[in-house]
Amino acid sequence: DVQMTQSPYNLAASPGESVSINCKASKSISKYLAWYQQKPGKANKLLIYDGSTLQSGIPSRFSGSGSGTDFTLTIRSLEPEDFGLYYCQQHNEYPYTFGAGTKLELK
Amino acid sequence: EVQLVESGGGLVQPGRSMKLSCAASGFTFSNYGMAWVRQAPTKGLEWVATISYDGSSTYYRDSVKGRFTISRDNAKSTLYLQMNSLRSEDTATYYCTRGGGVGDYWGQGVMVTVSS
Repeated sequence: DVQMTQSPYNLAASPGESVSINCKASKSISKYLAWYQQKPGKANKLLIYDGSTLQSGIPSRFSGSGSGTDFTLTIRSLEPEDFGLYYCQQHNEYPYTFGAGTKLELK
Repeated sequence: EVQLVESGGGLVQPGRSMKLSCAASGFTFSNYGMAWVRQAPTKGLEWVATISYDGSSTYYRDSVKGRFTISRDNAKSTLYLQMNSLRSEDTATYYCTRGGGVGDYWGQGVMVTVSS
């Protein structure tokens, strides 16, 4: 199975700041990485797929980059609603696997 | 508006069976692959199974292969997960997602607790 190592585990930031979350695959997954946001009481939200393609309706302050084994989710100018849990997922091969998650907290 | 509503969860004893359903609306269900993803309490997300748009292909994680069956009824716009021989480690919130690989819409989830 492809292991997804996500970092950091916790991240504290203030509104207006920019942050980056990293995801490293144990083998090449080409461009096939997705990013999701999870918040209590809300359905999980797809942010980015295929490494860098912004899902429809997602603000442009979210961006994804990377290919092969190393990927990054960047959120520019954090808004209050951006705080929550973020997961990466490889969708290159079965079994699809997720990172352990990054908790983005308000500083 | 796309909606995915899971049902059928609850408390079940180890070794018993349970069937989850996911009612889909707001899109042409028969055009999309679908998947189940679960999340154990305080843990991360874990892909469980995927089914193709027409039900002809299914894929499972090893730990549920032979015990779980994903299926769909396109006439009813409903996705299913039949879970047999349940174990304590199957305790989780189960999410239905649109898209066999990338889940562009998720349901709110249904809790399954396997305990005696």
